[in-house]
Amino acid sequence: DQQVKQNSPSLSVQEGRISILNCDYTNSMFDYFLWYKKYPAEGPTFLISISSIKDKNEDGRFTVFLNKSAKHLSLHIVPSQPGDSAVYFCAASEGGGSNYKLTFGKGTLLTVNP
Amino acid sequence: EAGVTQSPTHLIKTRGQQATLRCSPISGHTSVYWYQQALGLGLQFLLWYDEGEERNRGNFPPRFSGRQFPNYSSELNVNALELEDSALYLCASSPRGGQPQHFGDGTRLSIL
Repeated sequence: DQQVKQNSPSLSVQEGRISILNCDYTNSMFDYFLWYKKYPAEGPTFLISISSIKDKNEDGRFTVFLNKSAKHLSLHIVPSQPGDSAVYFCAASEGGGSNYKLTFGKGTLLTVNP
Repeated sequence: EAGVTQSPTHLIKTRGQQATLRCSPISGHTSVYWYQQALGLGLQFLLWYDEGEERNRGNFPPRFSGRQFPNYSSELNVNALELEDSALYLCASSPRGGQPQHFGDGTRLSIL
């Protein structure tokens, strides 16, 4: 049973445009969500997170939106740059962010074309 | 500041052998987490250690075990290796039970 789903295995966008990566979850106990970026042969790098008490969090070019009623979150990257090309993972945890294990989606490969 | 370091980078074993993977957390982090990324399966939570104790465990058989040392570094041991254990094993650390978790670059374990 996949509790965190990233239904788009890949996404291709033009440099300078917006990239929107989507993530759905089924476990209503999740209350803290994170996005990680992963380059080949490297470990995941933390990008941005959001608590369930918020519906938006912004950090520079990255914004995460959370829709609790739809159990859906999205990551917006504006403007997209070729260096953003990587696999993006959505992750979720229970326990107000003080828990422990992360449950990951399978990732979306983002390609930003110059 | 040094990040999470893992060793070895690659490990090749045969079926039935034992593997030991090592992880050093970021300085000041007391929690260490282990994840498995097998082909097509995404990252799966294995184990969480904090202050030397196992705090949580994922849905893996008992032949996956580990420990955390007084300096907060950690070992993951996999006994009686099976072909399906071939995967990338990632270690992450955080302040005690906190987020976000910061990952190392992983150990690629190949079972022949």
